[in-house]
Amino acid sequence: EPEVTQTPSHQVTQMGQEVILRCVPISNHLYFYWYRQILGQKVEFLVSFYNNEISEKSEIFDDQFSVERPDGSNFTLKIRSTKLEDSAMYFCASSASGRVVETQYFGPGTRLLVL
Amino acid sequence: LAKTTQPISMDSYEGQEVNITCSHNNIATNDYITWYQQFPSQGPRFIIQGYKTKVTNEVASLFIPADRKSSTLSLPRVSLSDTAVYYCLVGGYTGRRALTFGSGTRLQVQP
Repeated sequence: EPEVTQTPSHQVTQMGQEVILRCVPISNHLYFYWYRQILGQKVEFLVSFYNNEISEKSEIFDDQFSVERPDGSNFTLKIRSTKLEDSAMYFCASSASGRVVETQYFGPGTRLLVL
Repeated sequence: LAKTTQPISMDSYEGQEVNITCSHNNIATNDYITWYQQFPSQGPRFIIQGYKTKVTNEVASLFIPADRKSSTLSLPRVSLSDTAVYYCLVGGYTGRRALTFGSGTRLQVQP
């Protein structure tokens, strides 16, 4: 069964550093998403991406965040200047068509720790 | 966006049937009900989705009464590996694509 993959599985960084989290969505999917989950809290939506542009974003997704699809397979989340509160599990997801009720397939996540 | 309410936690034993009920009193006509499962340190995984009456797949059944103000996820004969958090989500074709997760129901299956 096709899966969403994410790298790295774990990332430790110093406050103020830039990090790039990578995702490979399922190959024929068209919509891509990033979510995050702070330890012990809810899964929170960050951003959705379609046709090389952001289609929706949450209040969390401020100017320090950016997303990119640099090639035909990768989808990245960049955090420009990390803060302690960015420590969380970051999940990438993809869906085939982007219909609101379409199943979203989540990756295994990247655990980001900001020191 | 319809607000959902589910129990914070449930306990069960292996081999039992588990029913998790979700209330969504403000569900809109276009809204579907979707359940996701999340194991510790993993991403959420789609389990089942329905609009009305009953839906069954190889993993679970979803019961939705006629007024659609609640739904029940039924897991037949649970095993230890069903220990996870289960989320009820409500959304429709005219809504946002972003999934809104609540706190979910933490199911603990004991031997």
